[in-house]
Amino acid sequence: AQTVTQSQPEMSVQEAETVTLSCTYDTSESDYYLFWYKQPPSRQMILVIRQEAYKQQNATENRFSVNFQKAAKSFSLKISDSQLGDAAMYFCAYRSEPHALNFGKGTSLLVTP
Amino acid sequence: DTGVSQDPRHKITKRGQNVTFRCDPISEHNRLYWYRQTLGQGPEFLTYFQNEAQLEKSRLLSDRFSAERPKGSFSTLEIQRTEQGDSAMYLCASSPGGRVGATGTQYFGPGTRLLVL
Repeated sequence: AQTVTQSQPEMSVQEAETVTLSCTYDTSESDYYLFWYKQPPSRQMILVIRQEAYKQQNATENRFSVNFQKAAKSFSLKISDSQLGDAAMYFCAYRSEPHALNFGKGTSLLVTP
Repeated sequence: DTGVSQDPRHKITKRGQNVTFRCDPISEHNRLYWYRQTLGQGPEFLTYFQNEAQLEKSRLLSDRFSAERPKGSFSTLEIQRTEQGDSAMYLCASSPGGRVGATGTQYFGPGTRLLVL
């Protein structure tokens, strides 16, 4: 079974600074997808960024980028120029076709002014 | 807005009662997933449908749980004889089906928060 590990239960960053959230996973599959989802308090889970395992290039979405290290089975999320609205629970998730998502336990991100 | 919708958003029930939740996926999505999320944890997979066929069920889905997706559109999740341990957020997600290499992105609804007293 695939497992996803987020070793940082909580992280804190100052506004405008950069923060990196860690995620590792375990799988024997070669084709899969990795995701970072954001869940603000009492609000809907939304997709932040997606990475296909067959792509070597790291995904980027505006201020959000990933460092995907396939051999190391590592998938970290970097948030640049942090904003107060980035405060949320961040979940790393793994999926291999056609199965469901496997989520980590999440990292709570606090953004301070 | 054509996102995933769930109803009700909140449900309080007494232990032993039956409850049913509904999920309406994004209209062109043929895959629908149910997850359960307890406080401070990531969502855990319960079951998934491709069109009307239920293709996968988690060990978490005890015989008190049943899910349906008639006609491959909306889905319902029923919990019979609720227990206090069933208290959680129940999340629904949908995605387009398709070949390996197509986007695997799932889009989530707002969830139904269940409290069993």
